[in-house]
Amino acid sequence: RKEVEQDPGPFNVPEGATVAFNCTYSNSASQSFFWYRQDCRKEPKLLMSVYSSGNEDGRFTAQLNRASQYISLLIRDSKLSDSATYLCVFGGYNKLIFGAGTRLAVHP
Amino acid sequence: ETGVTQSPTHLIKTRGQQVTLRCSSQSGHNTVSWYQQALGQGPQFIFQYYREEENGRGNFPPRFSGLQFPNYSSELNVNALELDDSALYLCASGFDRAHGYTFGSGTRLTVV
Repeated sequence: RKEVEQDPGPFNVPEGATVAFNCTYSNSASQSFFWYRQDCRKEPKLLMSVYSSGNEDGRFTAQLNRASQYISLLIRDSKLSDSATYLCVFGGYNKLIFGAGTRLAVHP
Repeated sequence: ETGVTQSPTHLIKTRGQQVTLRCSSQSGHNTVSWYQQALGQGPQFIFQYYREEENGRGNFPPRFSGLQFPNYSSELNVNALELDDSALYLCASGFDRAHGYTFGSGTRLTVV
C-alpha cells in the first residue's frame, strides 16, 4: 500500500464552483499535515497546514480525520488562478511524504 | 520571492557522468532536504541534513550523496548518472517538519 493515496484528477470545474480533494495516508504515526500547491514547472509552495480541529484560510478549508487517516481540502468560489496541482503532504520522521498530486483546472 | 536558491536551473548530462547541484537555504534555517520529482509524480525524499549531519535518507542508492556546509548551504552529488535520474531536483529548508519547508525553484536535470 502506498504511503499516500491521492486522486490524480484532473478536476475540471467552472469558476465559482466548490471543489474538494481527499488524501489518505497509511502511517498512523504521522504528526504533521500540509497541503502544497504546485504550478506547472514550478516548485511546491505551502498552501496551508492542517490541524486536527480543522482550519480555514479565506476560500480554503482543510480538515484532518485521524481515525480514518485522511485529510481534505475544500476550495470555495474557485478562481481561474486556483488552477494548479495540489499535493497532500505528511510529516514523517525527518522528511515530508508527498502524494502524487491532484490537478485542478478552473475554466471560465 | 523564495529564500531558497538553487543552481543551476537546468542541466544536461550524459549517462555515466557525475553531477553536483547546489542549494543556499533560507536565512536561519538549519535543516536542508533534497527531493527528486519525476514528471507527473510528487517529490520523493532523497535525504536531509541538520547542522552538517545527515539525519534521514530515503530509498535512493549510495551514488546519491550530499553535504551541508557551516553556512547551511548544501550540495547534492549524483554519480554514474542513469537515464531515470532525469527529474526536477528540489531543495527545501526549514526549522522542522512541523512547520513545513520552503522549496527552491529546483534544478531540472536531463540525462541523455
